[in-house]
Amino acid sequence: DSGVTQTPKHLITATGQRVTLRCSPRSGDLSVYWYQQSLDQGLQFLIQYYNGEERAKGNILERFSAQQFPDLHSELNLSSLELGDSALYFCASSVKGLAGRSSYNEQFFGPGTRLTVL
Amino acid sequence: EDKVVQSPLSLVVHEGDTVTLNCSYEVTNFRSLLWYKQEKKAPTFLFMLTSSGIEKKSGRLSSILDKKELFSILNITATQTGDSAVYLCALNYGGSQGNLIFGKGTKLSVKP
Repeated sequence: DSGVTQTPKHLITATGQRVTLRCSPRSGDLSVYWYQQSLDQGLQFLIQYYNGEERAKGNILERFSAQQFPDLHSELNLSSLELGDSALYFCASSVKGLAGRSSYNEQFFGPGTRLTVL
Repeated sequence: EDKVVQSPLSLVVHEGDTVTLNCSYEVTNFRSLLWYKQEKKAPTFLFMLTSSGIEKKSGRLSSILDKKELFSILNITATQTGDSAVYLCALNYGGSQGNLIFGKGTKLSVKP
């Protein structure tokens, strides 16, 4: 158990719908990262938040958005869902995330949310 | 373009064998290389490497980085069926702190 929690575990929805995935980082971790894992693309970095602020963007579609709240939990919002959005969505957390002296970046992954769009 | 290439994509061995998994990369502003093991669920952290030539070891697993030739290897000795998993290599690169770019992984199957 990494200490990162994600809800829900499974989500089945229809095309065109909107869903929200939730993540609680490990206690003390300030950075939250979202990843998408599909069979053909592997693990893809979507977006990072550090202490409530967006820090980095990866391959995140405009239909997707995220935020990190004052209690450091994060939500990933996926809208206008398409069949191709079906994937496993992971959240990860780490202590650091700002430019600094250390390049340390061990990330701890949550169990993931499996999204199926029908 | 930043990229991470792992080889082989898939590997089948028998218990007791030793395996070497490869990860080569092209990335600007290298910060660190990480290895993860992914079984059915989330990736779990194995090693983080930042310096060339310094072996990291944990039980039967070890890893080393060559920043001149831009690759890393992950060795598993005396493999067990519990080692069956996908092993992911990831690069922490510059541009934004915390970004990881992942390889496609090596799927290791250890037969009894």
